[in-house]
Amino acid sequence: AQSVTQPDIHITVSEGASLELRCNYSYGATPYLFWYVQSPGQGLQLLLKYFSGDTLVQGIKGFEAEFKRSQSSFNLRKPSVHWSDAAEYFCAQSMEYGNKLVFGAGTILRVKS
Amino acid sequence: NAGVTQTPKFQVLKTGQSMTLQCAQDMNHNSMYWYRQDPGMGLRLIYYSASEGTTDKGEVPNGYNVSRLNKREFSLRLESAAPSQTSVYFCASSEEYNEQFFGPGTRLTVL
Repeated sequence: AQSVTQPDIHITVSEGASLELRCNYSYGATPYLFWYVQSPGQGLQLLLKYFSGDTLVQGIKGFEAEFKRSQSSFNLRKPSVHWSDAAEYFCAQSMEYGNKLVFGAGTILRVKS
Repeated sequence: NAGVTQTPKFQVLKTGQSMTLQCAQDMNHNSMYWYRQDPGMGLRLIYYSASEGTTDKGEVPNGYNVSRLNKREFSLRLESAAPSQTSVYFCASSEEYNEQFFGPGTRLTVL
């Protein structure tokens, strides 16, 4: 069965510092990969997605992610974090055919000033 | 466009009571989904509907039933609520192979 691993439950970074959130997936010659963000008490919002093509994907709010097939990873990055980025971040994978998502456990990002 | 809407936002039930969570989308999507979110476990798929008239089990379907009432609406029913069903429930919709759009969630407590 496919699974998505986010090794870091909590991460704290200083405002203005760079950020990398890790994600490893387990399935698929052609994985469909997503990063979502959830602010407290809110639903999930898509940051970016990877289906094929360029392995460096740009998303909203200044986020990007890099797909590395050799490492089964899809890490999320941001060069300079803002206090408003404090939220929970979820990596997710879709099966090759169909659109059911499998989510990682999430990483809670705290931003200190 | 309202996107995906869910009702109610909050609900408290006693063990054994039943209730239905409602979900509607106005994006003309074919696929709809119900997830539950529990701390440290991410979101887990309960049921999904690939198109109007079809439903299938997800990862954690036990204790739940669903109805795809029409293309817009997808409801989730708890027939006899248990404390283990205390969770936050999210509905989502999508077109195939594309991003899922999520509703704001329903926070359910079963006493």
